[in-house]
Amino acid sequence: EAGVTQFPSHSVIEKGQTVTLRCDPISGHDNLYWYRRVMGKEIKFLLHFVKESKQDESGMPNNRFLAERTGGTYSTLKVQPAELEDSGVYFCASSQGKFNSPLHFGNGTRLTVT
Amino acid sequence: AQSVTQLDSQVPVFEEAPVELRCNYSSSVSVYLFWYVQYPNQGLQLLLKYLSGSTLVKGINGFEAEFNKSQTSFHLRKPSVHISDTAEYFCAVSSLKGYQKVTFGTGTKLQVIP
Repeated sequence: EAGVTQFPSHSVIEKGQTVTLRCDPISGHDNLYWYRRVMGKEIKFLLHFVKESKQDESGMPNNRFLAERTGGTYSTLKVQPAELEDSGVYFCASSQGKFNSPLHFGNGTRLTVT
Repeated sequence: AQSVTQLDSQVPVFEEAPVELRCNYSSSVSVYLFWYVQYPNQGLQLLLKYLSGSTLVKGINGFEAEFNKSQTSFHLRKPSVHISDTAEYFCAVSSLKGYQKVTFGTGTKLQVIP
């Protein structure tokens, strides 16, 4: 089966610009998660979708971040306007079912805001 | 709230030597425990997980980890490392209830020296 796919792999933008990250989960996985790792720090939870609904968005830093999952398939994460502190690696993960289902991660999108 | 501590940010070890990567966690509820590995330019991959039962858990690539409830630890070990084990390793926890919102540690970079 195809794994979790993220696009783009790298993005360099200027402060104030807009960037949209995309994640295609494994087919049939209802759960989709976004995580972020700022350089040298822990991987932090951003939000969780169950199908098209936001189950938990407690990790979203502020209202400059907007995540969508229309139709319960792929998801986008938009940052508008981008700030320097938004730089990091954004990971998407998907899983099937509840509790101890393993997370399947994408390769991440490395975002650099200059 | 949960937290994960990985005190060692980098661990250099000679090829074929044993290695232990340390992980301690804090949680007010019972948790599942995980180790993930990230090879260069790749996403995170599940190494092993502890859900219940035997406290010694065996994972892929010859790794194992031991859950110690009294010490709230879940250290990762391998008796003989290979060059291909060079990667970053993340300890993680999630609560037993609800969906899998995972809390990660800051990661430990394992550098295997030829």
